[in-house]
Amino acid sequence: DAMVIQNPRYQVTQFGKPVTLSCSQTLNHNVMYWYQQKSSQAPKLLFHYYDKDFNNEADTPDNFQSRRPNTSFCFLDIRSPGLGDAAMYLCATSRDRPGQGRGNQPQHFGDGTRLSIL
Amino acid sequence: AQTVTQSQPEMSVQEAETVTLSCTYDTSENNYYLFWYKQPPSRQMILVIRQEAYKQQNATENRFSVNFQKAAKSFSLKISDSQLGDTAMYFCAFMKHGFNQGGKLIFGQGTELSVKP
Repeated sequence: DAMVIQNPRYQVTQFGKPVTLSCSQTLNHNVMYWYQQKSSQAPKLLFHYYDKDFNNEADTPDNFQSRRPNTSFCFLDIRSPGLGDAAMYLCATSRDRPGQGRGNQPQHFGDGTRLSIL
Repeated sequence: AQTVTQSQPEMSVQEAETVTLSCTYDTSENNYYLFWYKQPPSRQMILVIRQEAYKQQNATENRFSVNFQKAAKSFSLKISDSQLGDTAMYFCAFMKHGFNQGGKLIFGQGTELSVKP
């Protein structure tokens, strides 16, 4: 039973051509996260949504945007992909953030979307 | 800023034996959470075990246990009776307490564990 679903698993785009990655969840979690994981590196948080409240990390490039039209879906938009944006993009969810609701809950990850730039 | 360091890029262990993965971290926070995540090849990252810093007792989950040394800022993972399915990349991760941090996970570089038959 997939709970965090990322589509597609593999995405190829051209240098500079906008691309959108998709994440959906069946857990009804309040928080959705996007992480970038470059080859042989640790995942790095780009931003998260708490409900409809968008929270950007300070060092996330402006080239990366996100949308959350409803609880279940969250999108990662890369406006003008460069070669350095080739990576695995991981979506994760959690019921609440630490200190809210039921407090710290584990993050559930999707399978990731591997993005290649030509 | 918080940092997480995993000093062992690769490790291997024989099936049924015990292995310990190391993790150290740096923080000035007193209240936080620590995690070990497992990422099998081409599969999703899943939570193995977690520890709350205010709890002195080490967390255990079946064959997985941690050795949490708060003063030393050390958080190692012990896998007992290793199984072939334990082969994966293991990430140590840190999370600050407090909702204004958003639940951000700060990951170490990972340790690639191979369990050999």
